[in-house]
Amino acid sequence: SAVISQKPSRDICQRGTSLTIQCQVDSQVTMMFWYRQQPGQSLTLIATANQGSEATYESGFVIDKFPISRPNLTFSTLTVSNMSPEDSSIYLCSVRLAGLVTQFFGPGTRLTVL
Amino acid sequence: QKEVEQNSGPLSVPEGAIASLNCTYSDRGSQSFFWYRQYSGKSPELIMFIYSNGDKEDGRFTAQLNKASQYVSLLIRDSQPSDSATYLCAVTLNTGTASKLTFGTGTRLQVTL
Repeated sequence: SAVISQKPSRDICQRGTSLTIQCQVDSQVTMMFWYRQQPGQSLTLIATANQGSEATYESGFVIDKFPISRPNLTFSTLTVSNMSPEDSSIYLCSVRLAGLVTQFFGPGTRLTVL
Repeated sequence: QKEVEQNSGPLSVPEGAIASLNCTYSDRGSQSFFWYRQYSGKSPELIMFIYSNGDKEDGRFTAQLNKASQYVSLLIRDSQPSDSATYLCAVTLNTGTASKLTFGTGTRLQVTL
């Protein structure tokens, strides 16, 4: 497995502002993903973070709202832009290690938008 | 039709009993199947994965896969109160691109004393 850290672990933000979430992994990974888990719901994939190029977004998610960066193999950021209360959720970074198909999750960032 | 379906529960079993968690999937081309455990307020933790038809055992956990019926299950033997959590089934769909996990909505398991 891998040790995955996320910062911040939680935050309370005002509507209209933006928050950047960081994900750091202790080993080189092939793929990094960002998920959202709304209260009482399962996990929804936002996008695949690609190293050195634009992220691949899932249907319903756009780059203007959720810009993602991945400057190297072990680090990625997700920004939640122009937030509204509907963005209140847990945001999870997930990674797949080189040569493996198994996928592991970071501890998550609990976001509340007022 | 949802791609991955699970009964939301709660599934209540007494301590020491076998808990049986079920999952069905719609895409016959699905390749890999995963079970995650998620405690309240925590992130998902991988328990097991299975690729081939049949059973795969790991300690108290057994994953069962039947591709013909598009069905995967997780059995937990000798259930403990610490097993109380939501169990998420996830499937890698055959998209032709880098594989992505699709999750079911999860089954909440309660192990009672």
